[in-house]
Amino acid sequence: VQLVQSGAELKKPGASVKVSCKASGYIFTNYAMHWVRQAPGQGLEWMGWVNPVNGNRILSQRFQGRVTITRDTSANTAYLELSSLRSEDTAVYYCARGKDMPSDYWGQGTLVTVS
Amino acid sequence: QSALTQPPSASGSPGQSVTISCTGSSSDLGGYDYVSWFQQHPGKAPKLMIYEVTKRPSGVPDRFSGSRSGNTASLTVSGLQAEDEADYYCSSYAGSNIVLFGGGTKLTVL
Repeated sequence: VQLVQSGAELKKPGASVKVSCKASGYIFTNYAMHWVRQAPGQGLEWMGWVNPVNGNRILSQRFQGRVTITRDTSANTAYLELSSLRSEDTAVYYCARGKDMPSDYWGQGTLVTVS
Repeated sequence: QSALTQPPSASGSPGQSVTISCTGSSSDLGGYDYVSWFQQHPGKAPKLMIYEVTKRPSGVPDRFSGSRSGNTASLTVSGLQAEDEADYYCSSYAGSNIVLFGGGTKLTVL
């Protein structure tokens, strides 16, 4: 099982960013995909998840309106898009497979810098 | 949706045992059997150490154990080793498909 994320991004305030997470080694539709972020020197923060079967997503209240989580089952890939970026969004963003919660396999992380 | 509460730090000498607590409420940690613990070394992705309160994934040493009493979950690391020095995070299902994390505990092996 592997989750491979897209590379680091440098964005200006107000811009948008889209991070991808390509899954392999398991049946993509058998597990939800969660997104978790970690600001520099800070703890883990759950952002939301997508049901790969039907595309339904649940977001943390904190991110509703600014975050979109999607998936492409033909590419076994999940996406996180964050808009209206601000400096506080500078963080490492992780995807993690799971059922109700992030579980056993995580991506390597994608650093998004807003400056 | 408040974060779960963990002590910021914990420590122990090699060979000793240390317990890290994680406090929530009856609406999250105390209400569902979906409590996980993650270990994170600097610059690395989190690693699942405990799931469903007490279960250990394959490959995780049995020195790591999880428990829960009421609205507080605990991770115990027995026979501390140098490589156990890391940040530890608890996580809980909170209903309505929402997940919470604790603020993290830095474990130092003296």
